[in-house]
Amino acid sequence: AAGVIQSPRHLIKEKRETATLKCYPIPRHDTVYWYQQGPGQDPQFLISFYEKMQSDKGSIPDRFSAQQFSDYHSELNMSSLELGDSALYFCASSLAEGITGNTIYFGEGSWLTVV
Amino acid sequence: GEDVEQSLFLSVREGDSSVINCTYTDSSSTYLYWYKQEPGAGLQLLTYIFSNMDMKQDQRLTVLLNKKDKHLSLRIADTQTGDSAIYFCAASRGGSGTYKYIFGTGTRLKVLA
Repeated sequence: AAGVIQSPRHLIKEKRETATLKCYPIPRHDTVYWYQQGPGQDPQFLISFYEKMQSDKGSIPDRFSAQQFSDYHSELNMSSLELGDSALYFCASSLAEGITGNTIYFGEGSWLTVV
Repeated sequence: GEDVEQSLFLSVREGDSSVINCTYTDSSSTYLYWYKQEPGAGLQLLTYIFSNMDMKQDQRLTVLLNKKDKHLSLRIADTQTGDSAIYFCAASRGGSGTYKYIFGTGTRLKVLA
């Protein structure tokens, strides 16, 4: 079965640069979530989108922005990168009214290293 | 807001049972999940339990939920070296729309041969 696809899988950027992560949800899923997992930390919720509208916001820095497009894929844009932004970024998707309840499915993650 | 707590480390011998515990604070949490994360890898959904259930069994995995105490546990029978990983519990609330998960701190399970 198709899973959540994230790209790139690995990314190295310098401080103050900009990075963009992409997420392609499971087909027919209408909701996308972004999580950030720092080294040795648990995943922290950043932001979510339902039907292309922002639905919830967590600990996302003002330097970050995200959107969900008409094909339901999502992009996380990170500007003025700091060393502390180095982390594993997960995207997840779900079907809001699906029979599986509210289970969300995670991608493999995108590793961002800021040097 | 929701807070999810786990013990940080657990070490067991191969063949023994492992029990990983989790407590949460939001009594309106509808679904509770267990995820496994191996080094350098993503989050693998192991199992989940709906809040109106007390127990769920899936092969070597048994999930117990004590809703009164807001306590969740994951028992892995006949633990193998391949089970060594970080195990996260997560809580979410139901309803239409999005289901934000709150993750615990993760329990690092080490299986000794």
